[in-house]
Amino acid sequence: AQKVTQAQTEISVVEKEDVTLDCVYETRDTTYYLFWYKQPPSGELVFLIRRNSFDEQNEISGRYSWNFQKSTSSFNFTITASQVVDSAVYFCALSGGYSGGGADGLTFGKGTHLIIQP
Amino acid sequence: NAGVTQTPKFRVLKTGQSMTLLCAQDMNHEYMYWYRQDPGMGLRLIHYSVGEGTTAKGEVPDGYNVSRLKKQNFLLGLESAAPSQTSVYFCASSAPGTSNYEYTDTQYFGPGTRLTVL
Repeated sequence: AQKVTQAQTEISVVEKEDVTLDCVYETRDTTYYLFWYKQPPSGELVFLIRRNSFDEQNEISGRYSWNFQKSTSSFNFTITASQVVDSAVYFCALSGGYSGGGADGLTFGKGTHLIIQP
Repeated sequence: NAGVTQTPKFRVLKTGQSMTLLCAQDMNHEYMYWYRQDPGMGLRLIHYSVGEGTTAKGEVPDGYNVSRLKKQNFLLGLESAAPSQTSVYFCASSAPGTSNYEYTDTQYFGPGTRLTVL
């Protein structure tokens, strides 16, 4: 069975600080995908990134960066110079198991509530 | 292009009542999903569909039924609502991958339906 663990239930930092959200996953699949979604206070789910299991390159997008390490089954998310607008719940999710086209649903972690204080 | 839409946005039911949640997508996606989000639980997959006329059970299917009569629509039904089904329901859709290495495309989510069962 697949599992995603986000051990940090809530993180509170002051604006402009850097913050890292941890994600650890478990899967028996050799090919899988990892995702991060953002859920702002308005409630919608916003896609941030998808990473393939065979691509361990780290990725940077503006103030956001992701560190994928297969050896430790982790896919951590760092926000540099945090802003109040980054306040949200962040979910890490896992998709895997090729089943004739790969329509598997996502396995989500329980989310990390990030609070950026001005 | 509206993406994924959900109807209704809010609903209050009494125990034992039935209702249907409608999800519609205009991205011509093959795959559609229903999730529920409960406080501190992340999102959990209820049912999913890999194409018109096909459905499959997810992690928490009990008490729900689904139908996919048209490619663009995915309906979630509650035949006899229970207080344990109070939750926020999200629909998502995705397309099959574009190659052998991209078999799972990103899931895009609707805005959610907040359901309360009294």
